[in-house]
Amino acid sequence: DGGITQSPKYLFRKEGQNVTLSCEQNLNHDAMYWYRQDPGQGLRLIYYSQIVNDFQKGDIAEGYSVSREKKESFPLTVTSAQKNPTAFYLCASSTLREISPLHFGNGTRLTVT
Amino acid sequence: DQQVKQNSPSLSVQEGRISILNCDYTNSMFDYFLWYKKYPAEGPTFLISISSIKDKNEDGRFTVFLNKSAKHLSLHIVPSQPGDSAVYFCAARGRADYKLSFGAGTTVTVRA
Repeated sequence: DGGITQSPKYLFRKEGQNVTLSCEQNLNHDAMYWYRQDPGQGLRLIYYSQIVNDFQKGDIAEGYSVSREKKESFPLTVTSAQKNPTAFYLCASSTLREISPLHFGNGTRLTVT
Repeated sequence: DQQVKQNSPSLSVQEGRISILNCDYTNSMFDYFLWYKKYPAEGPTFLISISSIKDKNEDGRFTVFLNKSAKHLSLHIVPSQPGDSAVYFCAARGRADYKLSFGAGTTVTVRA
């Protein structure tokens, strides 16, 4: 079955530590995205990538970094520079066809204390 | 500045009745609109979409209406079922843009 796998589901870190969230897809999608969800807010775009070795900042990229070395993988690093890292992080992918919905993984809940 | 707005944070409806969820947008370049459903601690799942060349799209119990002049869309769920209790997100994007802008979501509770 094709899909998007995010791991781990829950992650706990101490303040000041970098942490990397994994996202893998086997849908053969060209584009991948990272969103963040906070209570009472919609999903906000962190980074996205439409092709291997290329990515663009979204609306809230500060304090985050990504890489896209393989089509299937788009890991997100939450750095110590991110002021409010505790959130629910969602990875998504899509084709590059004009009308194509995003498909989401089940998310990673990151708690930083 | 939020370009997609869902002004009703919650909606309670009786089982069997119609649920109507509303969404407004400000960016006139948006031309593709989607609704997603989300359960707690899970990723959103795609529900239904509409492109700007249409004003209505139907899929089973779900119908989306688009009013371009008012920059408004709505999702109708008829009849509402207990399994429809979830958070519903409205999303939109422009023609040459693959990333989606999302509203804040509406929590729907279907009462037995």
